[in-house]
Amino acid sequence: NAGVTQTPKFRILKIGQSMTLQCTQDMNHNYMYWYRQDPGMGLKLIYYSVGAGITDKGEVPNGYNVSRSTTEDFPLRLELAAPSQTSVYFCASSSQRDTQYFGPGTRLTVL
Amino acid sequence: TQLLEQSPQFLSIQEGENLTVYCNSSSVFSSLQWYRQEPGEGPVLLVTVVTGGEVKKLKRLTFQFGDARKDSSLHITAAQTGDTGLYLCAGAMGNTPLVFGKGTRLSVIA
Repeated sequence: NAGVTQTPKFRILKIGQSMTLQCTQDMNHNYMYWYRQDPGMGLKLIYYSVGAGITDKGEVPNGYNVSRSTTEDFPLRLELAAPSQTSVYFCASSSQRDTQYFGPGTRLTVL
Repeated sequence: TQLLEQSPQFLSIQEGENLTVYCNSSSVFSSLQWYRQEPGEGPVLLVTVVTGGEVKKLKRLTFQFGDARKDSSLHITAAQTGDTGLYLCAGAMGNTPLVFGKGTRLSVIA
């Protein structure tokens, strides 16, 4: 059972480039989340989804976009990368609004 | 404004010592969870507490939910180097996503 998978594991972007962070879960969870974690800090919620076709903003949505066309996938899009978006990005899923299962993370550096 | 305050922010102890970390809020939560995150990995759920005053034990770890469901503590007995990591508390309230604290970074030295 793979749980939550994220790709890529590492990425270096130049300022202004765009990319999509992929997230897939195989637990048939309705809820999915994207967080960013800056060095030495906790988790900040970027976007979340309560089901296919439904997304909502979290605490720090600026500079990001998401879509949820299927239950399994919840990609996060960065359109114009900025150095402030250097962080570790975690995707998570849950069957209800509490217990969350996290992926291994994507470490992104914007230079 | 941080809804969940965790303390201490950093803790470095010798193997075999006991420790307690705290998670405090002025808000009431329907449940509270503790996660542990090891370097280079995502957080992993340790426990969920639901009832005010509830105490749960997981081997050497003891979790307590405050009577008013506003705070929680995690006590580790005889810490081991394998306990090293970032401990995050997260509270559930209403229909909103979990609220995470900033975490306590624990280092257990052999």
